[in-house]
Amino acid sequence: TQLLEQSPQFLSIQEGENLTVYCNSSSVFSSLQWYRQEPGEGPVLLVTVVTGGEVKKLKRLTFQFGDARKDSSLHITAAQPGDTGLYLCAGVISAGGTSYGKLTFGQGTILTVHP
Amino acid sequence: DAGVIQSPRHEVTEMGQEVTLRCKPISGHNSLFWYRQTMMRGLELLIYFNNNVPIDDSGMPEDRFSAKMPNASFSTLKIQPSEPRDSAVYFCASSSTSGYTDTQYFGPGTRLTVL
Repeated sequence: TQLLEQSPQFLSIQEGENLTVYCNSSSVFSSLQWYRQEPGEGPVLLVTVVTGGEVKKLKRLTFQFGDARKDSSLHITAAQPGDTGLYLCAGVISAGGTSYGKLTFGQGTILTVHP
Repeated sequence: DAGVIQSPRHEVTEMGQEVTLRCKPISGHNSLFWYRQTMMRGLELLIYFNNNVPIDDSGMPEDRFSAKMPNASFSTLKIQPSEPRDSAVYFCASSSTSGYTDTQYFGPGTRLTVL
């Protein structure tokens, strides 16, 4: 059972389309991060959100942390082929359990943007 | 500036053989993480060092896995004996501060195949 569920697992769209990737959990997170990973490389941190309801923008990417700090979303506007990659959310559980304090990753969303 | 360096980039070995993966963190970083990535389980934290001391090794699968950090610029992850189910991409990451939530810089990974 994954602590962080990402959806969709696969996304194939045309250049110019908008998309949203979701990251959900039943646990509360003290912080949540989004990474992007390209084939043959390690993940690269895009953003960290720490406050419930927080919204951060990075050019065409908009990240939102849920009010209850249990979920997050990544929205890409006007996707480009260069956005192709694996998008991972990762969070630190705020209290209790064996995963407390650790950075736990979701399974990831594989995004393909066709020219 | 050099990022996290891992070697080898690819390793193919036979079941039962010893495998040693190597990592050189970014100079000045005092935290080092070893991760394993598979399609089935995603990205999993294996072990976390801070100032060369293992802080959390609860993610190490079993006694066949061991990790060392003899100095601030070098770490190894050893698997002895290796098994086919160990096949995965192993990542090393480093961070300039302690804890899991600060920016972690990932290396390019070592793709391990155990036949």
